Amino acid sequence: QVTLRESGPALVKPTQTLTLTCTFSGFSLSTSGMCVSWVRQPPGKALEWLALIDWDDDKYYSTSLKTRLTISKDTSKNQVVLTMTNMDPVDTATYYCARAYFDWLLGGYYFDYWGQGTLVTVSS
Amino acid sequence: EIVLTQSPGTLSLSPGERATLSCRASQSVSSSYLAWYQQKPGQAPRLLIYGASSRATGIPDRFSGSGSGTDFTLTISRLEPEDFAVYYCQQYGSSFWTFGQGTKVEIK
Repeated sequence: QVTLRESGPALVKPTQTLTLTCTFSGFSLSTSGMCVSWVRQPPGKALEWLALIDWDDDKYYSTSLKTRLTISKDTSKNQVVLTMTNMDPVDTATYYCARAYFDWLLGGYYFDYWGQGTLVTVSS
Repeated sequence: EIVLTQSPGTLSLSPGERATLSCRASQSVSSSYLAWYQQKPGQAPRLLIYGASSRATGIPDRFSGSGSGTDFTLTISRLEPEDFAVYYCQQYGSSFWTFGQGTKVEIK
């Protein structure tokens, strides 16, 4: 059974750095084809992809947020950490982590399991 | 970066009716790289369709996906009460993933 759970502060101040942890079970990030991604959703708005880390420790970032994001993994702990620097009120959103798998037949990545999300509010 | 535009923004239908949702890409997308997700209020998204037309595990066959190039469609053949939700398309290309802005399917 695959599960993911996001953890981190519910409230951060402007200019601070946000650190979120995704703790997962039911799969291993050392297995070929496995990835973990972060996606956020401001209240009432659409989903926005942020970052992805794959089994080979390759990292991918949203173009618009690349300079502020860092994604890393600790395979032994089954955790993926996302840091976002210089937080602003517009970064207020629910942050989701999701398992993504690379389909070797189709060649695409699909986000098949998601955590329940954690709401992060940026306010002084 | 590829932009996905979904239409309509809101679709008002009755249970039992057919829903047709559109996702248009700003440039050609490989069908293998196109997915659809369903999101209900207060819940995480759920993978419905991958590879443009393959149903994910456990997804009922009233959901179907089609399309190629820049135009993709999600069809719900007969709406059930639990299908009223927001639907997002997503694409992967050049090491980036993008989502559309969503289509809300609401009860008429």
